[in-house]
Amino acid sequence: DIVVTQSPLSLPVTPGEPASISCRFSQSLLHVNGYHYLDWYVQKPGQSPQLLIYLSSNRASGVPDRFSGSGSGTDFTLKISRVEAEDVGVYYCMQTRQGRTFGQGTKVEIK
Amino acid sequence: QVQLQESGPGLVKPSETLSLSCTVSGGSISGYYWSWIRQAPGKGLEWIGYIYYSGNTNYSPSLKSRLTLLVDTSKNQFSLRLTSVTDADTAVYYCARLGTSDNFYYYIDVWGKGTTVTVSS
Repeated sequence: DIVVTQSPLSLPVTPGEPASISCRFSQSLLHVNGYHYLDWYVQKPGQSPQLLIYLSSNRASGVPDRFSGSGSGTDFTLKISRVEAEDVGVYYCMQTRQGRTFGQGTKVEIK
Repeated sequence: QVQLQESGPGLVKPSETLSLSCTVSGGSISGYYWSWIRQAPGKGLEWIGYIYYSGNTNYSPSLKSRLTLLVDTSKNQFSLRLTSVTDADTAVYYCARLGTSDNFYYYIDVWGKGTTVTVSS
């Protein structure tokens, strides 16, 4: 089984400042096709989760360009270039290389 | 716009079977993968499994021995059966669709609102 470690678990942020969330996996998420099988989701308060990023770096439809995903092999990062108040929520990475496994979640809150 | 609605008992006794259904509206169940995810109180998301509209399944290893996913294309519904439940199965259960933009990679693009299931005597 692929094990994931997401950090930090809590992230207080100042509006307008950048934020970064990391996920590290016990095995490479690189598929033979050259893509990294990793998605990012956010669960805003009182809502179901929603897709932000797929295949490590592709923004889902309607996702603001202040969100970006990067990484390779076993280490991946979600970055918010300038946090806005509406970005509060819990962010999850999810590997899809072998089955599917969610990270522990990072709670982003405004300072 | 596709919408998903979970339904089923909100309370299940320990050792009994948890059964939930998800009704797909605004679109066809055919051609897609359909999944279940759960979230225990105050915890993160846990993948349960998915089923293709044709019936092929993929289950979480941790739940595989107790889990059955089914699909009924005539009703545009898919369902979950989890046997021998314990307190640890208390959670909000979400049904979801695995969508794709290129028929190559599938991601969760539609979620239900979730239904709360409590395991208690």
